[in-house]
Formats: sequence, structure tokens, C-alpha cells
Amino acid sequence: LAKTTQPISMDSYEGQEVNITCSHNNIATNDYITWYQQFPSQGPRFIIQGYKTKVTNEVASLFIPADRKSSTLSLPRVSLSDTAVYYCLVGPNAGGTSYGKLTFGQGTILTVHP
Amino acid sequence: ETGVTQTPRHLVMGMTNKKSLKCEQHLGHNAMYWYKQSAKKPLELMFVYNFKEQTENNSVPSRFSPECPNSSHLFLHLHTLQPEDSALYLCASSQEEGQINYEQYFGPGTRLTVT
Repeated sequence: LAKTTQPISMDSYEGQEVNITCSHNNIATNDYITWYQQFPSQGPRFIIQGYKTKVTNEVASLFIPADRKSSTLSLPRVSLSDTAVYYCLVGPNAGGTSYGKLTFGQGTILTVHP
Repeated sequence: ETGVTQTPRHLVMGMTNKKSLKCEQHLGHNAMYWYKQSAKKPLELMFVYNFKEQTENNSVPSRFSPECPNSSHLFLHLHTLQPEDSALYLCASSQEEGQINYEQYFGPGTRLTVT
């Protein structure tokens, strides 16, 4: 499984755009990049998933450069309720035997200040 | 509310006790998972069930015993636990349809304390 590296923590203020970058230098050809959000004492929540270029949904955008060795989660105009841990995951090869197996790293603790 | 419920939400047990954690998903998914999250550690995958069959056992000690009677219910039976087993135990489900689906729906977790 591809290993991911993220900043341990980040600070931001309400209304700002936050970009969290994840490095995954040994990503495999068929791997997808997935981001989860976790609040204290709750289970993680799926945010967004992508393979290449840019993906956008109602919550966030995911930017993936052509070499796919990194990815950036972009949260527009954050609020206090966006304070959470954000995890970057790189999945196993599609068609492999690791059915739905997610490997979580340490994640990035995002703190949004008033 | 994710469609995955877990009971109890909090559990305190002695090392000689036997207890069970319950998970139920109301999403019609065919795969269910148990994860363990210890303080200051990443989530660790424990067990995976796909169509009620266990497809993954991530070197979990035998004092943890999973049971999946149907695709909507998942149990984790606990016996003779150690204090280091104290953690947040999370259940998740997903729909697997021939290709890997990385969107898993997590329950709120059971906060377990072993005394």
C-alpha cells in the first residue's frame, strides 16, 4: 500500500480557504486518492475521492497533478465546524484482493479560529 | 447520522468480563468492518466481512471474536481483555460491487475502557 505523508497540524481562520497537501510518492497506477474527515469521538466521514486532475463536490475540491505523487484537499471558506482531523488515503490496486481495505495515517489536525 | 449504528456508545469492563459490541447498518451494504482507534494512533483495521464471509483478519488477538450473522449486523465479542485494549472501536460499512469502493460509512463508535 502506498504510504502517505501529511502535515501534522494546520491553523486557519474563519472564512479562509484551507489547502492540505498529501504526498504519496509510490502511488500505483490504479490507486485512487481518498480524503476523510473525523471529529472527536466520531467515526471518519468520506469527503472526496479522485484519480487525476481535479474533482469538486459540494464540500471540497481535490487537486491532483499529472505525476499523481501528491494531492491537495481544498476547503473553501472554512468555519469553526471544520475543525477536525483530515486523513489522506491511497487505496490498493483496483481488482486486488484488499477489498475495501483502507489504511489510515496520522492525519492532519485542522484548527479553525474565530 | 450515517446509517450505521453502534451500541453501546460507552463500555467499562474488567479484564475477566465478557461483553459484546453491536453494529447495525441500514444502508443495504454488503461489506462491514471493525476498526480500532487508540489514543494518538491511526485507525487500525481489525476485521472485514464481505457478504457475511470474513475476508480479512488483521492479526487481531483471539480475545477479540467477530460475528456477522447477516449483511446488516456485525458483532465484536470481547473476553479477557487487557488495559491496552481500551480504545474507540468503530464499525463501518460499504457497498462492494466488483471494484473497490473507498467510501465507507462509519458508525459513532464504542468507547471501551478496560479496568
